[in-house]
Amino acid sequence: KQEVTQIPAALSVPEGENLVLNCSFTDSAIYNLQWFRQDPGKGLTSLLLIQSSQREQTSGRLNASLDKSSGRSTLYIAASQPGDSATYLCAPLGAGGFKTIFGAGTRLFVKA
Amino acid sequence: GAVVSQHPSRVICKSGTSVKIECRSLDFQATTMFWYRQFPKKSLMLMATSNEGSKATYEQGVEKDKFLINHASLTLSTLTVTSAHPEDSSFYICSASSPGLAVDTQYFGPGTRLTVL
Repeated sequence: KQEVTQIPAALSVPEGENLVLNCSFTDSAIYNLQWFRQDPGKGLTSLLLIQSSQREQTSGRLNASLDKSSGRSTLYIAASQPGDSATYLCAPLGAGGFKTIFGAGTRLFVKA
Repeated sequence: GAVVSQHPSRVICKSGTSVKIECRSLDFQATTMFWYRQFPKKSLMLMATSNEGSKATYEQGVEKDKFLINHASLTLSTLTVTSAHPEDSSFYICSASSPGLAVDTQYFGPGTRLTVL
């Protein structure tokens, strides 16, 4: 059974800092891994999707890496802004059973 | 492309009533749809997987008779919360996938917030 762990659970940083959010998963048999953003009381916004054959994906100030064999992914946010404040969820899509399992998330607060 | 909608976005109901939530794929045919539940300040928990025209597969611990899932067409799945109680209050999110679109990608709806009084 896939288990997804995200560290840290919460993070508070001053504006402008570069930061790294970590995700680990127990079953490396995945199709892909997505990083989502969720604002309070809202749905999910897909940020980046990394296919199992890829090592990283970039979108603007965001960069996500994937090391499938070790069951790890990181989301790097450059030059953080107050608008980045949200919960970030890591979600690998399992190859067995085709299920997306979510981590508990990292709650990010960027102070102005 | 690949838009998934949910209706309603918010619903408040009285304890003991049933509530139906719809999940629609607007511009593609979804062979598989998934239903998730999110408790306050918690992550999303997969409730069930439904394939068009067949019975849903429920995750361990999810009551089948409580959460009725119907996937009658390639663009619509419904989740009915029967005899709702306050503990069923939650954020429900669906996702949809289609091999014809992207074999290994799920597209998520915006979610439905259910409050049971």
